[in-house]
Amino acid sequence: KQEVTQIPAALSVPEGENLVLNCSFTDSAIYNLQWFRQDPGKGLTSLLLIQSSQREQTSGRLNASLDKSSGRSTLYIAASQPGDSATYLCAVRRSGNTPLVFGKGTRLSVIA
Amino acid sequence: GAVVSQHPSWVICKSGTSVKIECRSLDFQATTMFWYRQFPKQSLMLMATSNEGSKATYEQGVEKDKFLINHASLTLSTLTVTSAHPEDSSFYICSARGAGTLPYEQYFGPGTRLTVT
Repeated sequence: KQEVTQIPAALSVPEGENLVLNCSFTDSAIYNLQWFRQDPGKGLTSLLLIQSSQREQTSGRLNASLDKSSGRSTLYIAASQPGDSATYLCAVRRSGNTPLVFGKGTRLSVIA
Repeated sequence: GAVVSQHPSWVICKSGTSVKIECRSLDFQATTMFWYRQFPKQSLMLMATSNEGSKATYEQGVEKDKFLINHASLTLSTLTVTSAHPEDSSFYICSARGAGTLPYEQYFGPGTRLTVT
């Protein structure tokens, strides 16, 4: 059974700092990996989706990498801002027809 | 495009009563809907998968007689929590995919906060 782990569970950084969030998964046979943002009491906002054949995806200040063979992904946030404060969730899909399996998330606080 | 709504956004009910949560795909036909549950500071855990017109498939450990899922149309799925108890208090999020959306992409609703007193 696929298990997704995110480290650290919580992170607090000063504004402007670059940071890396880590995600690992036990079964490397994935179809794609997706990073989400969740604000307190809210639903999910999709940030980046990486197909299994891709190594990375970029959107603005966000860069996600995927090393499928080692079962790892990282989300890099450049020049962090207080508005980036949220929980970041990593999720993987085994095949195109299967649902996403989520990690517990990393709670990020960016201090002004 | 690909918007999913949920209603209500939050609900409080008394122990022993039933509560229904609706999930709607607003601008696409949702051939498959997923229901997740999220406890505080925990991950989203898949409860069940439903395909339109078929019975839902429940994950191990999820009581199908307690969490009734109906997916009778291509735009609406409902989750009914029957005989709710305080331990059912959680954040319930639905997700949908289907015709007209990106292949295999899941679109998430805003969630419903259920509190059972």
